[in-house]
Amino acid sequence: EIVLTQSPGTLSLSPGERATLSCRASQSVSSSYLAWYQQKPGQAPRLLIYGASSRATGIPDRFSGSGSGTDFTLTISRLEPEDFAVYYCQQYGSFSWTFGQGTKVEIK
Amino acid sequence: QVQLVESGGGLVKPGGSLRLSCAASGFTFSDYYMSWIRQAPGKGLEWVSYISSSGSTIYYADSVKGRFTISRDNAKNSLYLQMNSLRAEDTAVYYCARCIDGMDVWGQGTTVTVSS
Repeated sequence: EIVLTQSPGTLSLSPGERATLSCRASQSVSSSYLAWYQQKPGQAPRLLIYGASSRATGIPDRFSGSGSGTDFTLTISRLEPEDFAVYYCQQYGSFSWTFGQGTKVEIK
Repeated sequence: QVQLVESGGGLVKPGGSLRLSCAASGFTFSDYYMSWIRQAPGKGLEWVSYISSSGSTIYYADSVKGRFTISRDNAKNSLYLQMNSLRAEDTAVYYCARCIDGMDVWGQGTTVTVSS
């Protein structure tokens, strides 16, 4: 199975700052089938990015995804108060799908 | 509107069984792959299984293979997860999700607790 390693584990930032989250795969992710999700406490995850760089419906353009192969990045250009949450990457390019362990973005 | 509603969670003893259901509405259920994902208390997300739109293609995580069975009834717009030989480590919130370029619609989850 493809193991996804997210870094850092926790990111402490202030509103208005830029957030850069990393997701590294143990082997190449086929056709960039890599997604990013946001999860807030007590809520189901929400799809942000699919295909490594395409924004899901209704997602603000301050969220962007990039990368290919084994290295992927989620960037939040200017953090809004509602963006403080846990973010997960997920690959769906192999028969066995996997999630990263998550990155918590917290208010500094 | 597009909606997924899970049900069937509860408290079960180790070794027991439980069947989860996911009712879909607001979209053509038979057009989509569907998946189950779980989240243990205070932990991250773990993919459990997915099933193709027709039900002909199914995959499981190694942690549940041989114990869990995913199925669907397109006539009833429903997805199921039969869970047998349950263990304490299966305790989690179980989500169903619609699969199209990632998982774009999620239910609110149903809680399964495995404890004696």
